[in-house]
Order: sequence, then structure tokens, then C-alpha cells
Amino acid sequence: ETGVTQSPTHLIKTRGQQVTLRCSSQSGHNTVSWYQQALGQGPQFIFQYYREEENGRGNFPPRFSGLQFPNYSSELNVNALELDDSALYLCASSLDRAGPQYFGPGTRLTVL
Amino acid sequence: QKEVEQNSGPLSVPEGAIASLNCTYSDRGSQSFFWYRQYSGKSPELIMFIYSNGDKEDGRFTAQLNKASQYVSLLIRDSQPSDSATYLCAAGSGGGADGLTFGKGTHLIIQP
Repeated sequence: ETGVTQSPTHLIKTRGQQVTLRCSSQSGHNTVSWYQQALGQGPQFIFQYYREEENGRGNFPPRFSGLQFPNYSSELNVNALELDDSALYLCASSLDRAGPQYFGPGTRLTVL
Repeated sequence: QKEVEQNSGPLSVPEGAIASLNCTYSDRGSQSFFWYRQYSGKSPELIMFIYSNGDKEDGRFTAQLNKASQYVSLLIRDSQPSDSATYLCAAGSGGGADGLTFGKGTHLIIQP
């Protein structure tokens, strides 16, 4: 059984650009959640997808959007990047919506 | 606003001693509680989860939950230098739609 994977590992973008981050959940995990972690802070919930539908959303603007696909993969899209979007982006998969969440290695995004 | 509070530390514990990490949460509707370990530059790793009042033991780790006091703790017995990391406490609601609410983490240092 493979764990949660994310790509790319690191990414550098310019303010105003758009970015897509990808995640592959553990096999059989039908729920994926995305988090943003700034330096020295705990992860902040962005949104959760369950069986390809958005199940819930945190306090993030609409320029943060996502998709979940039938093959256990998902993506996070961020439009109109701002300097404050620089952070570690984590996806976490779980067997169900409220179960234990297992994190991928993360994508480090730097916005210049 | 849901909050999880942790002492940021650093908490310094001699090797072989018991490390005690604590957190409190504000939302009485929280039903699931998680402890994650995060090494510098890495993603969070799930250590323990607990849903019911009382103690839950797994190897050297014991999670304790007191819903009346809105208090969660993690005990690490026979602390090892490899336990040195930041420990994140997280609380979740029943349906998962709000994601996990994380504290800022406690930095634990095990002194050889």
C-alpha cells in the first residue's frame, strides 16, 4: 500500500500567476483534505473533498479551488497568487470524512 | 472561532524521562482529537488519535482526553532524542466538513 504523494516538491512563482498542486491519496481513501502551513504555525484547513464533491471549506478566498478525481488523485489550484500565499501546502487522505488524516510530504510554494 | 491552544515551548526533557504535552480546545462540538509529530522541514506524521474520554495507549505513547475540561494530552514514556520534534494537537468535528483545527505546536527537545 503506497502512502500519500504530492508534486511538485518545491515551486517558485511570481505574484499574480496561477499554480496547480497535485496529490495522490492512499488507495481506498475517498476523502482528501488540503491545508496551508505558514512557517511556525499549525496547518490551516483549506477544503475537503469526499467522493469528488467538496465537503467543506475553511476561511480561504474563492481563488483557492480544488478537484478530486475517481483515481484517488486531487489538485489544488490557486489563482492570482499573492506574497502571503508562500507556505507549505499539505494534502491529507482519510478513509472517511471524519477519520484520521494522513499527510503527504507537502509542496513548498514560494511567491516572489 | 474554533481554537486549539498549545504551549509553544521549547519543552526540554531528559532522555529516558516522561514528556508531557498538553492542549486545550474551544469548540465543545469537537469529537475527534489527534496528535501529530512534525520534524523540521517535514510534513506532520500521525501518532495518536482519541475519540472518548480517558486514556489510550500505543507503545510509548499515551493520549488522554477530558471533554469536560476540553483538554487533551500526550505522554511520551522513555523519551528518546529521536522524539525531538514539534508536536501538533488537532481537533475535528463529527462530519469532517470543518477539517481539523490545529494548534501552533509544542517544540519538544529530548536532552541526551
